[in-house]
Amino acid sequence: EPEVTQTPSHQVTQMGQEVILRCVPISNHLYFYWYRQILGQKVEFLVSFYNNEISEKSEIFDDQFSVERPDGSNFTLKIRSTKLEDSAMYFCASSVAGVTDTQYFGPGTRLTVL
Amino acid sequence: GENVEQHPSTLSVQEGDSAVIKCTYSDSASNYFPWYKQELGKGPQLIIDIRSNVGEKKDQRIAVTLNKTAKHFSLHITETQPEDSAVYFCAASTQGGSEKLVFGKGTKLTVNP
Repeated sequence: EPEVTQTPSHQVTQMGQEVILRCVPISNHLYFYWYRQILGQKVEFLVSFYNNEISEKSEIFDDQFSVERPDGSNFTLKIRSTKLEDSAMYFCASSVAGVTDTQYFGPGTRLTVL
Repeated sequence: GENVEQHPSTLSVQEGDSAVIKCTYSDSASNYFPWYKQELGKGPQLIIDIRSNVGEKKDQRIAVTLNKTAKHFSLHITETQPEDSAVYFCAASTQGGSEKLVFGKGTKLTVNP
């Protein structure tokens, strides 16, 4: 069964450093998402991406965040200058036909900012 | 915007018993309600979903009910098994509106053998 994959599984970085989290969505999917989950809290929407552009972003997704689909398979989330409060689990998700189609989640990248 | 409340935050049942998790939502325009199961160290996995044009949906031991008037929906797991132990999240979204899923805070279900 096709699945969303994410790398790395765990990323440790120093405050102020740039990180790039990588995702490979399911191959025939057209809609891509990033969510985050701070330890013990709910999963929060960050951004959705369709047709090579951001379709919606949350208040969390400020100028420090960016997304890119550099080729036909990868979908990346970049945090330019990490803060302690960026420490969280970051999930990538994809769907065929938009938000009310099933969103399939990857296993997540645990980001730890020291 | 949409707000989803989920109860209880923890639930412990004996194997074979039923488990019920309840969610309420605030936006009457929401019309898609998925439930996700998250096992330790893994991403959320869809287990069942319901759209606002139906009141109930069942898949083997799992069922979801929706009350649009009261704006709440519930997950029912019958004949629970230890492997059902996980964190369960409800979510809501609006077809034709926001792209995002809005999640509840999660329920940690423990099924004791």
